[in-house]
Amino acid sequence: DGGITQSPKYLFRKEGQNVTLSCEQNLNHDAMYWYRQDPGQGLRLIYYSQIVNDFQKGDIAEGYSVSREKKESFPLTVTSAQKNPTAFYLCASSNNNEQFFGPGTRLTVL
Amino acid sequence: SQKIEQNSEALNIQEGKTATLTCNYTNYSPAYLQWYRQDPGRGPVFLLLIRENEKEKRKERLKVTFDTTLKQSLFHITASQPADSATYLCALDFAGGYQKVTFGIGTKLQVIP
Repeated sequence: DGGITQSPKYLFRKEGQNVTLSCEQNLNHDAMYWYRQDPGQGLRLIYYSQIVNDFQKGDIAEGYSVSREKKESFPLTVTSAQKNPTAFYLCASSNNNEQFFGPGTRLTVL
Repeated sequence: SQKIEQNSEALNIQEGKTATLTCNYTNYSPAYLQWYRQDPGRGPVFLLLIRENEKEKRKERLKVTFDTTLKQSLFHITASQPADSATYLCALDFAGGYQKVTFGIGTKLQVIP
């Protein structure tokens, strides 16, 4: 089946630790995106990548980092510099206007 | 900066009626306007896209309108069913293709049997 996978679905980390969220797609899409969703707020763009080995900051990139070494993969690292990392993280890919989303990872910082 | 306004309060509607959701935006009009459905704890799913030069788009029981003068899009679900209960997100796409898209906070729709 074609689609986007994110792992894990739930993630817990201690304050001060870095953590990496996985995002893989087999849709052969060029563009990939990371969003953060908090209650009462819309999806906010963290980073996006239009092509392998290239990515741009979104609206809330501080405290996050990404890499795009392969077309299929776009991992997101939440660093200890992120002040309020507890949230629902969504990865998406696109080859035109429509975005395909993964199931999301809920990160909780203890 | 660009703002998107969706009715953040939940919309309750009786089964069989038409549900109408509103998306208003400020400043300049996007090239495309998209609507997504999101169920609790899951990623959004694309429903419809309408271009700035289109007035209306339909897909089965769904209809979207786009008025660049009013800076508004309306999303209609006719003959609503309990299975239509979800949060519906409006998204503005200014460039198309691989550029970033701006999402509204969504409107939660509850269809009552």
